[in-house]
Formats: sequence, C-alpha cells, structure tokens
Amino acid sequence: AQSVTQPDIHITVSEGASLELRCNYSYGATPYLFWYVQSPGQGLQLLLKYFSGDTLVQGIKGFEAEFKRSQSSFNLRKPSVHWSDAAEYFCAVGAPLGDKLIFGTGTRLQVFP
Amino acid sequence: NAGVTQTPKFRILKIGQSMTLQCTQDMNHNYMYWYRQDPGMGLKLIYYSVGAGITDKGEVPNGYNVSRSTTEDFPLRLELAAPSQTSVYFCASIPGSSGANVLTFGAGSRLTVL
Repeated sequence: AQSVTQPDIHITVSEGASLELRCNYSYGATPYLFWYVQSPGQGLQLLLKYFSGDTLVQGIKGFEAEFKRSQSSFNLRKPSVHWSDAAEYFCAVGAPLGDKLIFGTGTRLQVFP
Repeated sequence: NAGVTQTPKFRILKIGQSMTLQCTQDMNHNYMYWYRQDPGMGLKLIYYSVGAGITDKGEVPNGYNVSRSTTEDFPLRLELAAPSQTSVYFCASIPGSSGANVLTFGAGSRLTVL
C-alpha cells in the first residue's frame, strides 16, 4: 500500500540548532517527493521537491532534503533553525502529475529562543 | 493575485444542514482537488477533477459531492452535515498538462458542525 510515515509528531529545538525531520514512504513506482510547510491558520506552501537527478535537493528558507532510495526516506534538514521556522511540516509522495498526492500526518516544529 | 481562492474561510453548521464550499482558480489549471485536514491525520483526499465535467472519488468521499462545470470552479457540497465533517478543507490545483506538477493550495476553509 502507498503511504507516508512521519515518525515524529512533535519536535522542539532551540533557535540556531540543526534540524532533521524524518519521512519514510512506501510507493510502488518511482516516487515524486515533496515537503510542504504550514504556518498556523495558513495553507500549505511548497518547501522543496524531488523528481529525479541529484538526490540532495535545495528548497526555500534554507531547507534541504536527501532522497535515499535504499532506505525509502526523504528527510528534511536545516543547519540552523530560526524562530520563524516554527510550523507544521508535511512530507508527501505522488505520481509525476501530482495526482492523488499522499501526505504524511505531519511534524509540528516548536522553536525556543 | 493569481492562485486558488476558497470561500468561506470559516463556517459553523448545525447537524443536518447543507452547504457548499467554493473553490476557484485563475491559473487555467486542469486538475483540482479537495482535501480535508484533521489534527494528527495529515491531509486526506476527498474528490478530485482532471478537467471540466470529470470528477472522481478520493480516499474519503462519503458525505460529499462535487461538480466541475468550468475549468475555474470546483465546489464541494455537504448535503447533511455531521459532526465528523468538522475539519479544515483545502482546495488545490495543478496544471496537469505535463509532468512534475506541484500543488497550489488555497488558504483553507474551517468548518464546524455542531
């Protein structure tokens, strides 16, 4: 079955610390992978995406993610977290056209000063 | 600004009432989607459409109906509201004309059924 697992429901980090949000997927075909961010009361904004090529992809706001096919993972990283990064983060997997994108349950990030 | 517009932003319904959540996009996108978001559950696909006149069920379609008479509009109808439909609803779209599309989301509609 196709699915996305985000093992961490809630993560708390100090401002300036590094961050890694985990994402594992199960998908029958070549996966197209996405990370979205949702600030409170807002819609979802695309952080980055992976379709093919270099397995380390750069996104907006200083985020990056690495696709590891052998581990079925697409973890999101940031070297130094800012207070404004506090939000909920969703990993998603889908087909090339983005048809019926499957979302994980999200990870809520809290940042302490 | 171009994008996906949802109305209303907030709505409270009584059990058994009906209503329509409106979604319109001005990007000439072919594919449109309705998701619901519940705490700790991520986003679940309710219905989607690949073009005017074509709709199909997603993962959680029960209790909802959709129509797609134009490319721009994709309304979601709740016929007999139930407390289980209390949620935040997101409409999204993609061009659908080539590969590697990315969803553009509306700002969401928060619905409470009491």
